[in-house]
Amino acid sequence: DQQVKQNSPSLSVQEGRISILNCDYTNSMFDYFLWYKKYPAEGPTFLISISSIKDKNEDGRFTVFLNKSAKHLSLHIVPSQPGDSAVYFCAAVRVSGGYNKLIFGAGTRLAVHP
Amino acid sequence: EPEVTQTPSHQVTQMGQEVILRCVPISNHLYFYWYRQILGQKVEFLVSFYNNEISEKSEIFDDQFSVERPDGSNFTLKIRSTKLEDSAMYFCASSSTGGKLFFGSGTQLSVL
Repeated sequence: DQQVKQNSPSLSVQEGRISILNCDYTNSMFDYFLWYKKYPAEGPTFLISISSIKDKNEDGRFTVFLNKSAKHLSLHIVPSQPGDSAVYFCAAVRVSGGYNKLIFGAGTRLAVHP
Repeated sequence: EPEVTQTPSHQVTQMGQEVILRCVPISNHLYFYWYRQILGQKVEFLVSFYNNEISEKSEIFDDQFSVERPDGSNFTLKIRSTKLEDSAMYFCASSSTGGKLFFGSGTQLSVL
């Protein structure tokens, strides 16, 4: 199932700089998109989401941009902090009957170094 | 903040044995899910559960898998006869109507 793709398996960023994580999708019927963060030995933790009818959503240091024509979204983290080091998963949802089946990308491992 | 809890954190079993993975979803949530992540691969949807029945299941969720909500709080995943390829981290999740999913910390299943 390649409906959600994260083509960069890893990203290294210096503390204080911007981290940009990218995600592409193929199904134009997705209703909204989410970013989850995952630390080792923990479950995915919700970070931020965006509805398919919007092009930007911001929450503190985290901003998600959606380009529907390109079927592309990105997560910006500014400024990056060492505690942001984790695996970031992009996920897409098509709401069906009230439940949300998330389709995940493969993840991007972000390393923020001092 | 309420959380989804999973037990055990690690489960080791022999091939062919039955395992039951347990989850306590967030108490006011109505939708329950199991996902899994094989080492080095993406997080994959297994099954969703609502109103005491399966809403949707993936092709991974074959006859060897079953889910149950035996009481008002627990949500279990049973694998009847485990195979080596069932070794993975299994995540339980829950959500309210149309809401984001909250995941548990997972059960690492190792089939020997």
